[in-house]
Amino acid sequence: GNSVTQMEGPVTLSEEAFLTINCTYTATGYPSLFWYVQYPGEGLQLLLKATKADDKGSNKGFEATYRKETTSFHLEKGSVQVSDSAVYFCAWRISGGDYKLSFGAGTTVTVRA
Amino acid sequence: DTAVSQTPKYLVTQMGNDKSIKCEQNLGHDTMYWYKQDSKKFLKIMFSYNNKELIINETVPNRFSPKSPDKAHLNLHINSLELGDSAVYFCASSLTVPGNTIYFGEGSWLTVV
Repeated sequence: GNSVTQMEGPVTLSEEAFLTINCTYTATGYPSLFWYVQYPGEGLQLLLKATKADDKGSNKGFEATYRKETTSFHLEKGSVQVSDSAVYFCAWRISGGDYKLSFGAGTTVTVRA
Repeated sequence: DTAVSQTPKYLVTQMGNDKSIKCEQNLGHDTMYWYKQDSKKFLKIMFSYNNKELIINETVPNRFSPKSPDKAHLNLHINSLELGDSAVYFCASSLTVPGNTIYFGEGSWLTVV
């Protein structure tokens, strides 16, 4: 069936380190792909998205490229800050049908000063 | 102007009680959702309504009943609350357009004691 698999956490980094969170998808067809972020004690916010192959989503210094050949949508940031500490969710949505958004398990990231 | 608003944000209640969580969106979206986030941060869809019609009804106990009086509102009623119902419940909305973003409310933290 359709699904996303994302890197397990928790991930602990120092400020200014490079962050990568892997996400791969399995789908029949071409899903839209999303990264959502949940800061401590808060709700879910869309971080970025890509709707077709080779699209690159970017926001707040984060980037992810929709790669059909590797069925991946890895999240990257070149220099993290303490304020980037959060849970990051990879998600997918197939066009048509019920349009529901399905999530990966989430990756907890902690950035230390 | 909060796009997707849900109330209450925090709810502590005893086992066996009945409670409701309300949700409203002012984005003009035609589809609304309820998601449950468990203690391990895992997010799972519960229900979805499109133009007031139920289109997703995942495996959820009958004690949970959604109600959509109009396209802008989707309420969640829970009967006979159990300890295992303790979770964060997120309301969300979107347009049923391929690649469209789903917007989430800030969550309702339910604790059953």
